[in-house]
Amino acid sequence: GQNIDQPTEMTATEGAIVQINCTYQTSGFNGLFWYQQHAGEAPTFLSYNVLDGLEEKGRFSSFLSRSKGYSYLLLKELQMKDSASYLCAAPSYGGSQGNLIFGKGTKLSVKP
Amino acid sequence: NAGVTQTPKFRVLKTGQSMTLLCAQDMNHEYMYWYRQDPGMGLRLIHYSVGEGTTAKGEVPDGYNVSRLKKQNFLLGLESAAPSQTSVYFCASSSGTSVGNEQFFGPGTRLTVL
Repeated sequence: GQNIDQPTEMTATEGAIVQINCTYQTSGFNGLFWYQQHAGEAPTFLSYNVLDGLEEKGRFSSFLSRSKGYSYLLLKELQMKDSASYLCAAPSYGGSQGNLIFGKGTKLSVKP
Repeated sequence: NAGVTQTPKFRVLKTGQSMTLLCAQDMNHEYMYWYRQDPGMGLRLIHYSVGEGTTAKGEVPDGYNVSRLKKQNFLLGLESAAPSQTSVYFCASSSGTSVGNEQFFGPGTRLTVL
């Protein structure tokens, strides 16, 4: 079976660092995606990891450990606009049709 | 480029009514998807298409039908709406050329079935 787990909610302070974890069990692993979704809006792509390690994109970084079935999204220098849901997703069916299995999302609230 | 667009943005139906949601993309993408998003459930795949004239079932296909007569359009139909189909519907597309290709999402359609 395929399953993706992430915390439901997190709260952090403006200017701080927050780490959002994701664990997954998928058949035919083909990488892990992170998407950001502001309330009432569409999800937008943040990152894709297929190899172990950390990938950095500005204030956002994403980490993958394939042996542990684990990923995290690291947000630095938090800003109020980072308040959003963060969705972890992995290709299903080995990724041949581009289908993604999404976690239920982590709602991040950034406080002043 | 408009990206992915969805019509309509909002709709209220009565139980038993039918409707069609239209998704259009101008990025020449091969792959298109329909998701529904419910509180506490995350995004769930309804149907998808890997090219013009092809469709396939996703995780929650019951009560929905789809068609992909043109590459740029992907239609989602509800033949007899039920209150359980109250949800936000997102369409997405991707080039499909590699497994790491991101999906681009439309703005969503908020459907209420009374």
